[in-house]
Amino acid sequence: AQSVTQLDSQVPVFEEAPVELRCNYSSSVSVYLFWYVQYPNQGLQLLLKYLSGSTLVKGINGFEAEFNKSQTSFHLRKPSVHISDTAEYFCAVSEVPSSNTGKLIFGQGTTLQVKP
Amino acid sequence: GAVVSQHPSRVICKSGTSVKIECRSLDFQATTMFWYRQFPKQSLMLMATSNEGSKATYEQGVEKDKFLINHASLTLSTLTVTSAHPEDSSFYICSAPPSGLLPNTEAFFGQGTRLTVV
Repeated sequence: AQSVTQLDSQVPVFEEAPVELRCNYSSSVSVYLFWYVQYPNQGLQLLLKYLSGSTLVKGINGFEAEFNKSQTSFHLRKPSVHISDTAEYFCAVSEVPSSNTGKLIFGQGTTLQVKP
Repeated sequence: GAVVSQHPSRVICKSGTSVKIECRSLDFQATTMFWYRQFPKQSLMLMATSNEGSKATYEQGVEKDKFLINHASLTLSTLTVTSAHPEDSSFYICSAPPSGLLPNTEAFFGQGTRLTVV
């Protein structure tokens, strides 16, 4: 079974400052890794994903994440945040399939609060 | 990216009534769809896996007789909350991975449905 831990429930940051949202996972099998963003009362939008290859993944809106297998981490970063980045961010994993389940296991979420 | 449409976006119903939520894949086929529930300030929890042409698979602790799932076509899955009670008030979100895509590598989410039972 897989589990995902997002270490920070809330991250306040000033506009134009850098930010890192932390994510650690636990799994007995290989996984794919995802970051999603959720704006209030909306569904989820994919920011980026790691499937294989380069451990540094670039996504939309200037976000990037680095997969660290030894530390089982997939932290999300942005060098300079905007007010519009204020949202809930979810880290998620899915099992590299031996079975085609397609399930996502989500972390608890991190609220990014960008202050002017 | 592919589009998943979920309807309605908000619904208020009286306790004891039933509510149907639809999830449609607009420009792709999805043999499998997933239904998640999100309580306030919490993460998304998978409720069930909807399989086209067969019975849904429910996660442990989810009442299959209360949350009826029908996946009648390759583009539509419905979740019906039967005899709704205030504790069923939540945000329900569906997702669909396009059929034929490398398994588990992508999933597209609907906009979600805010259910309030009064």
